[in-house]
Amino acid sequence: NAGVTQTPKFRILKIGQSMTLQCTQDMNHNYMYWYRQDPGMGLKLIYYSVGAGITDKGEVPNGYNVSRSTTEDFPLRLELAAPSQTSVYFCASKLGTEAFFGQGTRLTVV
Amino acid sequence: AQSVTQPDIHITVSEGASLELRCNYSYGATPYLFWYVQSPGQGLQLLLKYFSGDTLVQGIKGFEAEFKRSQSSFNLRKPSVHWSDAAEYFCAVGPQGSQGNLIFGKGTKLSVKP
Repeated sequence: NAGVTQTPKFRILKIGQSMTLQCTQDMNHNYMYWYRQDPGMGLKLIYYSVGAGITDKGEVPNGYNVSRSTTEDFPLRLELAAPSQTSVYFCASKLGTEAFFGQGTRLTVV
Repeated sequence: AQSVTQPDIHITVSEGASLELRCNYSYGATPYLFWYVQSPGQGLQLLLKYFSGDTLVQGIKGFEAEFKRSQSSFNLRKPSVHWSDAAEYFCAVGPQGSQGNLIFGKGTKLSVKP
């Protein structure tokens, strides 16, 4: 039981490039989330999903897209990377009221 | 508006000393309350949670927290801090039930000096 797995752990992007942050969970949780964490700002919700085929915007969705074709996977897509998207990204899944977090992806846009 | 306030950005305590991290929340209904810990380079790990009942809840690693409805607070405490407790701590609130999203505070970084 691996929990929530995020790949890659680190990535440097050039402005305007695109990439997908991968997130997989093996706990059969319906709820999944993407957060970004910036120094001194806590965690901000980007997108979330309440089940396969259903996604919704969080607090800071601009510049990102998600999909949820399966229960296990919840990839986050950056289409045109901008320096403001330099951050640490966390994926989480939830069973009942407890959320489980991945180890994060540190993204730098230069 | 729903929000979580952690007034202390950074706290330094001596090893063996007691610790209290403050958390205040603003929420329309009675929320579920959580404390998470994040070690450097790691994800968030749940320390403890409060749903209902006894307002003093015990968590992992010797932590406890007390829910005070009248003060809208959920402060985290530990009687004797260990060097391994150095980390960042996040308070979070969420709606009752399994639906809904967590709202996080900005975090308190704890440093432990020998």
